[in-house]
This record gives sequence, C-alpha cells and structure tokens, in this order.
Amino acid sequence: GNSVTQMEGPVTLSEEAFLTINCTYTATGYPSLFWYVQYPGEGLQLLLKATKADDKGSNKGFEATYRKETTSFHLEKGSVQVSDSAVYFCALSDKEDKIIFGKGTRLHILP
Amino acid sequence: SAVISQKPSRDICQRGTSLTIQCQVDSQVTMMFWYRQQPGQSLTLIATANQGSEATYESGFVIDKFPISRPNLTFSTLTVSNMSPEDSSIYLCSVDGQRTDTQYFGPGTRLTVL
Repeated sequence: GNSVTQMEGPVTLSEEAFLTINCTYTATGYPSLFWYVQYPGEGLQLLLKATKADDKGSNKGFEATYRKETTSFHLEKGSVQVSDSAVYFCALSDKEDKIIFGKGTRLHILP
Repeated sequence: SAVISQKPSRDICQRGTSLTIQCQVDSQVTMMFWYRQQPGQSLTLIATANQGSEATYESGFVIDKFPISRPNLTFSTLTVSNMSPEDSSIYLCSVDGQRTDTQYFGPGTRLTVL
C-alpha cells in the first residue's frame, strides 16, 4: 500500500544553518506530495505541495522537489530561523484523496 | 484555502463519558475528514464524512465509538464515546480544497481522559 517514510527526529540545528529533512514514498500511480508543518500548540498548516514529477513546491524559504526516479520529496531550507522550530510532516494523497502522513520530524533551531 | 474552527479547543474528561467535537468551515465543502493524533505520533485518519451519507470509517475505527454527523456542507461533529485514557489525543478535522487534492486542517481539539 501507499506509505511515507521520513527521517526521524529530533533534528537540532543552529540558526542560519542549512536544513534537509528526507522523505521518500511508496505509491501506485502519481500521487501529489505535501509538506505540512505543526508549530507548537497549533494545528497543521500546509507548507508546500507538488503535484507531478519534477515540480518544485516552495514557501517561506522552504523548497521540495518531486523526484519520481528516487520517489523522494526532501524538504530544504538554506538558512533556518528559530521561528522554524516545529514538527514537519511529509504526506501524499492517494487516488481516493486520502492523505497519508509520515511520522513527522521535530525540528529545534537554536539561537 | 478554507478557514476552519473547532470546539472545544481542549477538554479534560472522565473515563466512561462522551465528548462531541464540532468543526465549522467558512465555505461549503464536499468532503470533511476526522483525524486522531496521539501524543508524539503522526495523524491517523478516523473517517471521511460526506454530507447526506454515512461516514466511511478506516480500519480500526467503528461508528459506535466515533459517531459522526454531517448535517450540511459547512459543519460536522465527531463524538468520542465511552472514553478511556487511551483516547487522549488531539482530534483534527480537515476539509478538501475544492478542485484540488489538498486538505486544510482545523486547529485541533486536545482531549485528555482521566
């Protein structure tokens, strides 16, 4: 069945460091891919998405590219800030429009 | 995107009681979803609720435990029945973005069962 695997956290970085959170998926067909973010005490927010191979989603300095050949959708940011501290979820939508989430990666940014 | 509100935002309940969570959307949507997020875990889909039909439950979830109502295109409720401490979780509703496969989430209801 469809599944999402993302790197385990927590990930701790210093401010202005480069961030990569790895995400790979297993799916039949061509799902849309998402990154959602959950800030402390808040609900889930859509961070970015990509709907087809080689698409790049971007938002708030974050980017992720839909790589069909490696079935990956890694999240990157060139210079993180303390305010980026949150839990990040990689996800895909299946053909029934259900969202399947990875386990989440907690990110701590130190000032 | 849609603006989604949930009530209550949090509650502490006694074992054996029931709690009904409300989800209100600022626009008409076809599909609404209910998720559970147990402490430190990812989101698990409980059921999909379409207006005018019975909710569709995922494996491991049953209507007697999690009855859902969907009376119109902007509102849904999820009841957590006969609660036990294992039901302590964040419960989130989400809606489908019209003509997209993106879902938008409410702020969640944090439930603690003693």
